[in-house]
Amino acid sequence: DAKTTQPNSMESNEEEPVHLPCNHSTISGTDYIHWYRQLPSQGPEYVIHGLTSNVNNRMASLAIAEDRKSSTLILHRATLRDAAVYYCILVKNYGQNFVFGPGTRLSVLP
Amino acid sequence: DAGVIQSPRHEVTEMGQEVTLRCKPISGHDYLFWYRQTMMRGLELLIYFNNNVPIDDSGMPEDRFSAKMPNASFSTLKIQPSEPRDSAVYFCASSLVGANTGELFFGEGSRLTVL
Repeated sequence: DAKTTQPNSMESNEEEPVHLPCNHSTISGTDYIHWYRQLPSQGPEYVIHGLTSNVNNRMASLAIAEDRKSSTLILHRATLRDAAVYYCILVKNYGQNFVFGPGTRLSVLP
Repeated sequence: DAGVIQSPRHEVTEMGQEVTLRCKPISGHDYLFWYRQTMMRGLELLIYFNNNVPIDDSGMPEDRFSAKMPNASFSTLKIQPSEPRDSAVYFCASSLVGANTGELFFGEGSRLTVL
């Protein structure tokens, strides 16, 4: 199965944009790129997902490299509530095995 | 909708006892997942169901673990007998049309401590 690589931790200042990178050099053509986050003492929650094109929703934007070997989750204005562990996950089309890696722990400084 | 509901939120038991964790998925969702989270191993998928049928249980650690989904609105994860190494947070999640094209909705988890 294709794996993802993320930095262990990142810091951001409140109200500044945050770019969370994810490398997935062995991604296959049918793999979807999903992002989830886990706030302290809560279950993971869906953030965004995409296949080839960049995606935007109310929470974030997902920028996918042209060769699809990397992607970036963009939080346009970080708030203290965005402090969480962010997981980048590859999911095969019609596959259900979401393999969560260690993720990136994002700290937001006031 | 109330979201995915798990019970109990916390369970403390002694080694050798039977533990039953419960999950009510979001109404209308046709996939249900059980995950386990520990500091050492992170989030691990244990088993998932589609339309109440177990599809992949390759993540279930051993025969002490069993999961059932008797109907669309209820699932259980049972550990018998429990061991200290089973201490973890167990999450249930559900989704519609399969998680690869949509969202996984997680419950708040059941924190299990086996003494």
